[in-house]
Amino acid sequence: AQSVSQHNHHVILSEAASLELGCNYSYGGTVNLFWYVQYPGQHLQLLLKYFSGDPLVKGIKGFEAEFIKSKFSFNLRKPSVQWSDTAEYFCAVTPIYNFNKFYFGSGTKLNVKP
Amino acid sequence: EAGVAQSPRYKIIEKRQSVAFWCNPISGHATLYWYQQILGQGPKLLIQFQNNGVVDDSQLPKDRFSAERLKGVDSTLKIQPAKLEDSAVYLCASSLGQGVTEAFFGQGTRLTVV
Repeated sequence: AQSVSQHNHHVILSEAASLELGCNYSYGGTVNLFWYVQYPGQHLQLLLKYFSGDPLVKGIKGFEAEFIKSKFSFNLRKPSVQWSDTAEYFCAVTPIYNFNKFYFGSGTKLNVKP
Repeated sequence: EAGVAQSPRYKIIEKRQSVAFWCNPISGHATLYWYQQILGQGPKLLIQFQNNGVVDDSQLPKDRFSAERLKGVDSTLKIQPAKLEDSAVYLCASSLGQGVTEAFFGQGTRLTVV
């Protein structure tokens, strides 16, 4: 069965620190990849997505992610976090044969200390 | 563009009672999803509709959960009777349903079963 792993369950950083959140998936075929963010009290929002092309994708608010096919990974990065980045981050995967079937990781809670 | 609307936002019921949640997707979105998100976990797909037909309900506990999407627009999810382990946030999401796209999420309904 397809699965999405996010190994960092809770990350605490100080402002201006760099961020990298890991995401690995188990599906062997072609996939589309997403990072969603959930700010406190708000709904899940799309941060960035990868469908094809340049494996380094840029999203909103200075986030980027790199797709490494050989490692089945799609890690999220930000060079310098802000207090407002405090949120929960979810990686999601959809297999190419079913664009509309989303598999989510368990999420990573990020706390940024001011 | 209006987002995915869900109601109610919060619900507290006693075990063995019934409860219903409502979702109105983004206009024109053919695919509608219901997810269950238990505290500390990622969203788990319960059921996926394409227009008013069920695409996937393999994870729906059909002895107690039911969902419908009459006329291919809004949808209701019902639990009858509720168990303590049903305490979770129930998320509705929608997508265009054609080609490569993203899912848009509602605010969710937080259900507490006591």
